[in-house]
Amino acid sequence: NAGVTQTPKFQVLKTGQSMTLQCAQDMNHNSMYWYRQDPGMGLRLIYYSASEGTTDKGEVPNGYNVSRLNKREFSLRLESAAPSQTSVYFCASSAFKGVLNTEAFFGQGTRLTVV
Amino acid sequence: GQQLNQSPQSMFIQEGEDVSMNCTSSSIFNTWLWYKQDPGEGPVLLIALYKAGELTSNGRLTAQFGITRKDSFLNISASIPSDVGIYFCAGLLPSGTYKYIFGTGTRLKVLA
Repeated sequence: NAGVTQTPKFQVLKTGQSMTLQCAQDMNHNSMYWYRQDPGMGLRLIYYSASEGTTDKGEVPNGYNVSRLNKREFSLRLESAAPSQTSVYFCASSAFKGVLNTEAFFGQGTRLTVV
Repeated sequence: GQQLNQSPQSMFIQEGEDVSMNCTSSSIFNTWLWYKQDPGEGPVLLIALYKAGELTSNGRLTAQFGITRKDSFLNISASIPSDVGIYFCAGLLPSGTYKYIFGTGTRLKVLA
């Protein structure tokens, strides 16, 4: 009963390095999301994919790119990491219910530090 | 961007006490969700609300979807030490969007 799986769980990068955060869900959900969580800021949406083949910017997309590889997988790429991208990153997914998306389910997070 | 005002930001309570927290917005939502996050973990869904006025319980937790569709409330009865954590509300904007807007969280600490 995996749900939403994120890898890696922890990562330290040097400024300017690149990396890709991986996310996979096994619930046959249509929509997937990437959030970042900073102290006192709650969860802020970086990018989302309403369905396979589509991606859209969220609230804080600058410095990131995403790929919806297939229905199960949604990756987040940092092309040139900056200290301001130090954060905890969460992937989430949700299913359609009629014309509405309903509950979002989260992975356990990737704790990223950029030095 | 859209924001949810969640209050209180933090609270210390004695074990056995009841807890109330709420979220308000200037926007109308179709769905309200309440999550709990333990340290080092991702948010876990507690309750989902789909209709204005709806009152839903999950064990000692009760949540309500405000009739104006701009607010929601979460109550925890007879708190226990494992209720410690951060509670987030989230709202889903009306049909046609796919974005969940999150509150900034209520940090709950329970004193035994």
